[in-house]
Amino acid sequence: SQQGEEDPQALSIQEGENATMNCSYKTSINNLQWYRQNSGRGLVHLILIRSNEREKHSGRLRVTLDTSKKSSSLLITASRAADTASYFCATPGKLIFGQGTELSVKP
Amino acid sequence: DTEVTQTPKHLVMGMTNKKSLKCEQHMGHRAMYWYKQKAKKPPELMFVYSYEKLSINESVPSRFSPECPNSSLLNLHLHALQPEDSALYLCASSPRGGPFYGYTFGSGTRLTVV
Repeated sequence: SQQGEEDPQALSIQEGENATMNCSYKTSINNLQWYRQNSGRGLVHLILIRSNEREKHSGRLRVTLDTSKKSSSLLITASRAADTASYFCATPGKLIFGQGTELSVKP
Repeated sequence: DTEVTQTPKHLVMGMTNKKSLKCEQHMGHRAMYWYKQKAKKPPELMFVYSYEKLSINESVPSRFSPECPNSSLLNLHLHALQPEDSALYLCASSPRGGPFYGYTFGSGTRLTVV
């Protein structure tokens, strides 16, 4: 049972452009987490935003959280070909993942 | 050591075989997890161990049997699997159970059942 739903499902951009992915979830949360997965291998934890935070930055990543709308967004600025991966939001407890956004960054 | 190590990376097994997947971490994490991921789908939780005790079993068939011999090691024993069990099996750990920590994932075991 998915807790998070992401859109778009797929996103293709040119290197240097920004990429924005959105996540909606269903229940109350303590935090929301974003993960990256390259080529069907292990997931890498990118960032965790707590329910009392509205925005958080980590390098080229910016995450926002709107608990009233039960939604979050992940912005990757100045994208690189190496950012090509699937991105998942996840809600804690059992860490249930959304469907994911497949990002393709073309050189 | 900030890694979760999974072995083997690839496994092909017949439907009558018995095999085991292994997961190891030396970060002192006290919660460990098994996930199953089919192609183009998100990971799905199978089992959670907290302080070496099984705390969550997401209605997984008994042909999958988890084991946590100590705080650093997690095994998944496989027996009489079906072809539809072919998937990427991911192990993860977190400092403790509960909702407050990010998870560290291993690279996974790509399982093919023939």
